[in-house]
Amino acid sequence: QQPVQSPQAVILREGEDAVINCSSSKALYSVHWYRQKHGEAPVFLMILLKGGEQKGHEKISASFNEKKQQSSLYLTASQLSYSGTYFCGTRMGMKTSYDKVIFGPGTSLSVIP
Amino acid sequence: DSGVTQTPKHLITATGQRVTLRCSPRSGDLSVYWYQQSLDQGLQFLIQYYNGEERAKGNILERFSAQQFPDLHSELNLSSLELGDSALYFCASSLAGGSTDTQYFGPGTRLTVL
Repeated sequence: QQPVQSPQAVILREGEDAVINCSSSKALYSVHWYRQKHGEAPVFLMILLKGGEQKGHEKISASFNEKKQQSSLYLTASQLSYSGTYFCGTRMGMKTSYDKVIFGPGTSLSVIP
Repeated sequence: DSGVTQTPKHLITATGQRVTLRCSPRSGDLSVYWYQQSLDQGLQFLIQYYNGEERAKGNILERFSAQQFPDLHSELNLSSLELGDSALYFCASSLAGGSTDTQYFGPGTRLTVL
């Protein structure tokens, strides 16, 4: 079941903030966030685990609401380099399982001067 | 540079043909994943291997197959190619393949089927 991302696209001016949401109809164990610039490979940003543990980026934060099965990525004081497509990936398995990451359709973020 | 390598970078071929895409994981990673990304589409999970064994399968067509070799590199074989198979194919690797693993993506192979 593919997670739902919102918004589909957003345009920001440098220095503005943005929030990207990712939600699933299934119970989640972890949410993974990646950023992809056009024609390049996705780059890891953050993992959020059930129970509140986070691993990731210095300047980007995220939250994971287990009751709502929803994660939000917070981009503050945006920079031009933040432009790209943001994907969330959801995983339902426990640590020792090998189930797959299902990626959402992506949120296109453009930061303009 | 993620440390994951993929070859070739670009591949142009005709319908009905067969191609092989190659991936070498980061040093120390045991798990390899294959994804397909069509134009302006998201990442579609195809298949995952862990230490030579298939671990998880996504929406991989029967015309596609993959394997992971003892040296941990992986190959994705696409046969009877159709125009719709044109896409970016990414390989990713992770340490063990568990739910808390970070996946590191390679630069991708752009396949064009004419």
